[in-house]
Amino acid sequence: QSALTQPRSVSGSPGQSVTISCTGTSSDVGSYNYVSWYQQHPGKAPKLMIYDVSKRPSGVPDRFSGSKSGNTASLTISGLQAEDEADYYCCSYAGSYTWVFGGGTKLTVL
Amino acid sequence: EVQLVESGGGLVQPGGSLRLSCAASGFTFSNYAMHWARQAPGRGLEYVSAINSNGDSTYYTNSVKGRFTISRDNSKNTLYLQMGSLRAEDMAVYYCARVRGSAWYSDYWGQGTLVTVSS
Repeated sequence: QSALTQPRSVSGSPGQSVTISCTGTSSDVGSYNYVSWYQQHPGKAPKLMIYDVSKRPSGVPDRFSGSKSGNTASLTISGLQAEDEADYYCCSYAGSYTWVFGGGTKLTVL
Repeated sequence: EVQLVESGGGLVQPGGSLRLSCAASGFTFSNYAMHWARQAPGRGLEYVSAINSNGDSTYYTNSVKGRFTISRDNSKNTLYLQMGSLRAEDMAVYYCARVRGSAWYSDYWGQGTLVTVSS
């Protein structure tokens, strides 16, 4: 299956909100409420930020929220902070124990 | 504290083999399914293979089927990835990750081990 489509980059100033979109198809994002989001700082391992579209693991600030409409999922980060600058990847379950990731979005905090 | 520590990466020639290991601690390893994921230099993430908690069900992305084998030794709290017929496009940082939830998302990741495929 093809990778999910994410914008290559987004940016925002401290305190602002940004939204990262993740567009798939009716075979992945559109069929399952199983979208997860990962944050990755340079040279570091990915960190789970959102799972099952909108659930936050313990320890993840409530500034991070997820949603989905049709074939597109979104990650919104409100009250941007400098430490939020990182790459963000979405991932969707695609059935039969297959998964598809997005190409990643670089978030720059201005 | 959950810890996942990968090892076994290195330089290998095209067509060669390599076995990666992932040592798990801080949780009951035998209760969890596990993923191997990879990230080519400057590229995105990809799940390569997965295995259920007792090791009797395994899953592979199409590009590695028939070349990679995932396995685990629950008595040693260790996950493995045997990689064969390696190609240039297999060059990446390989991560092991603990599985959670119905959709097998990854709640903890190791720091990764680099596999370089070059002559």
